[in-house]
Amino acid sequence: DTEVTQTPKHLVMGMTNKKSLKCEQHMGHRAMYWYKQKAKKPPELMFVYSYEKLSINESVPSRFSPECPNSSLLNLHLHALQPEDSALYLCASSQEEESPLHFGNGTRLTVT
Amino acid sequence: GESVGLHLPTLSVQEGDNSIINCAYSNSASDYFIWYKQESGKGPQFIIDIRSNMDKRQGQRVTVLLNKTVKHLSLQIAATQPGDSAVYFCAENLQTSYDKVIFGPGTSLSVIP
Repeated sequence: DTEVTQTPKHLVMGMTNKKSLKCEQHMGHRAMYWYKQKAKKPPELMFVYSYEKLSINESVPSRFSPECPNSSLLNLHLHALQPEDSALYLCASSQEEESPLHFGNGTRLTVT
Repeated sequence: GESVGLHLPTLSVQEGDNSIINCAYSNSASDYFIWYKQESGKGPQFIIDIRSNMDKRQGQRVTVLLNKTVKHLSLQIAATQPGDSAVYFCAENLQTSYDKVIFGPGTSLSVIP
C-alpha cells in the first residue's frame, strides 16, 4: 500500500470520451506531480503543482487538463485522447524541495 | 522503424552477490539525485538520495556514489536478494527548477536464486 492513492487502477476509454484520473495524499505534502510512463521507459514529467498552483507544464497537449482542487487532491481530466496516449499515469507528491517523491501505483489507461 | 530504447538495460546477478547499477545524468546544474525501485504493477519507490555536496551515502544494504566530474551516479546493493528484482531508475533534481525531477532510462535487475 502507498500513501498516495490513485483511482481508478485501470481505465479504458474511447477517443471521444471524457474521463478523469484522481490522486489523493494525506501527508501534508505541498507539491503534487503527474507523470506518464510507457512500457519499458522511465516516467516522463507532465505537470507539477506547488501549493495548489500549477508550477510546471512540460508542454503537454491540451487534451490533458490538470486540476488541483485542494492541497490533498490532484485530478487529470482527459478529453479526445489518442491511442498513443495509452500508458501508466503516475501521481506523486513531495514535502519540500530536494526531497523524494512519493508515488501512487498509477492508473493504467488504454485508449481505443 | 522504432528500435532504439525498446529494451531496458538488464543486469543479472546471483543471489547473495553484490549488484552495481550505473547512471549517467545529463545536467551539471543538478544538485540532488535519487534512486527509485519500481516493481511490476507498482509506482516507483524511493531507495536512497544524495546531494551534490557529497560523493557517497550509505543506507541499509545500499550505497550511492556520485562522481560530479563525469556526471555519473551508481547504486550498489549488497547481498542481493530475489526481492531486489525490479527496474531501478536514477533521477535528478534540477537546481534551476527544484520541482523538476527527471528520470534516467532505468536498469532491469534480475536476481538468480
